[in-house]
Amino acid sequence: DIQVTQSPSSLSASVGDRVIITCRASQSINRYLNWYQQKPGKAPKLLIYTASTLQTGVPSRFSGSESGTEFTLTITSLQPEDFATYYCQQSYSAPFNFGQGTKLEI
Amino acid sequence: QVQLQESGPGLVKPSETLSLTCTVSGGYISSHFWSWIRQPPGKGLEWIGYIYYSGSTNYNPSLMSRVTMSVDKVKNQFSLKLSSVTAADTALYYCARGGRGSAAAAGFDYWGQGTLVTVSS
Repeated sequence: DIQVTQSPSSLSASVGDRVIITCRASQSINRYLNWYQQKPGKAPKLLIYTASTLQTGVPSRFSGSESGTEFTLTITSLQPEDFATYYCQQSYSAPFNFGQGTKLEI
Repeated sequence: QVQLQESGPGLVKPSETLSLTCTVSGGYISSHFWSWIRQPPGKGLEWIGYIYYSGSTNYNPSLMSRVTMSVDKVKNQFSLKLSSVTAADTALYYCARGGRGSAAAAGFDYWGQGTLVTVSS
């Protein structure tokens, strides 16, 4: 199985800040890394797929990048609605494991 | 607009079988891969498995011995059965849509709202 290790597990930031969340895959996954946002009581929402492609309707302050087996989600100019939990997921091969999650708090 | 809705019992006794159905509206089940994901209260996401409209499946090895998925193209539904449940299977269960040509390459773009299943006597 391919494991994805996400960091940090929690992050405190302020409105207007820039934050970076990282996921590292246990082996090469050829850019097949997705990012989700989950708010309390809601289903996860797909933000970015294949490392850097923004899902339709997602604001451009969200971006993704990759360098080898390390992937980053960057949120620039944090908005109040961005405070949530974020998950990465590898979709290169089943089982499509998720990272442990990063709780972004004010 | 594609919508997914999970349904099934919210309470299952230990050692029994959990059964859930996901109804797809606003789109055809015969066009994508479909997955089940679960989330224990206060914890992270676990992918359970996927099914294609043809009936082909792929299950998480951690649950493979207890999981069965099926699809009903006429009703535009797919289902999950998890046998021999214990308290560790208590979770919010989500159904989600994968891709057309691959199970998850472009992520899961539509999700149900989730249904809480509690395992308790």
